[in-house]
Amino acid sequence: EVLLVDSGGGLVQPGGSLRLSCTASGFNFTTYWMTWVRQAPGKGLEWVATINADGSKMYYVDSVKGRFTISRDNAKSSLYLQMNTLRAEDTAVYYCGRGSGLLPDWGQGTLVTVSS
Amino acid sequence: DIVLTQSPGTLSLSPGERATLSCRASQSVSSNYVAWYHQKPGQAPRLLIYDASSRAPGISDRFSGSGSGTDFTLTISRLEPEDFAVYYCQQYDSSPRTFGQGTKVEVK
Repeated sequence: EVLLVDSGGGLVQPGGSLRLSCTASGFNFTTYWMTWVRQAPGKGLEWVATINADGSKMYYVDSVKGRFTISRDNAKSSLYLQMNTLRAEDTAVYYCGRGSGLLPDWGQGTLVTVSS
Repeated sequence: DIVLTQSPGTLSLSPGERATLSCRASQSVSSNYVAWYHQKPGQAPRLLIYDASSRAPGISDRFSGSGSGTDFTLTISRLEPEDFAVYYCQQYDSSPRTFGQGTKVEVK
């Protein structure tokens, strides 16, 4: 069974940083592209970033380019999202997903709140 | 970017009724790379339909998808209590991947 566990969310001040993690199991992590999607409170879904299987290619939505970095550690079956210079509008539940477009499996999400 | 517009915003129906949800793209989606998800409060989205009309594993045959080009439809033949949720369409033809704003299916 595919299992994705998101963690690392919390309350952070504007301009601060946070690192999210997604631990995967139940599938060969090393062969799959992975994605982060976010959902602001009461709002819809927004694709944030995607990384290819070996970690050599990363893609971002324009609003986070230069501030967020997606990475992975295939030895640990883990996906990360380093978020810097956080803004109030980054407040959301962040989900990791298996895949680069179609997302058949999702983590449970982790809440990031950016507020002073 | 491909903008997906879902309609209606809210659909009020009774259990046993048929639901028809629309998703219109701002430009043609190649290879019908459109998916549908539903999301219940406090839960992650769940994949229902991919490639516009293929059901994901474990999804009831009450759910069906259709469409091509710029117009796509999700149909729920007979609503069950667990089907009342928010439904999102998504295109994965081009980057950035985009989602519709959602259609809420609520109990009438």
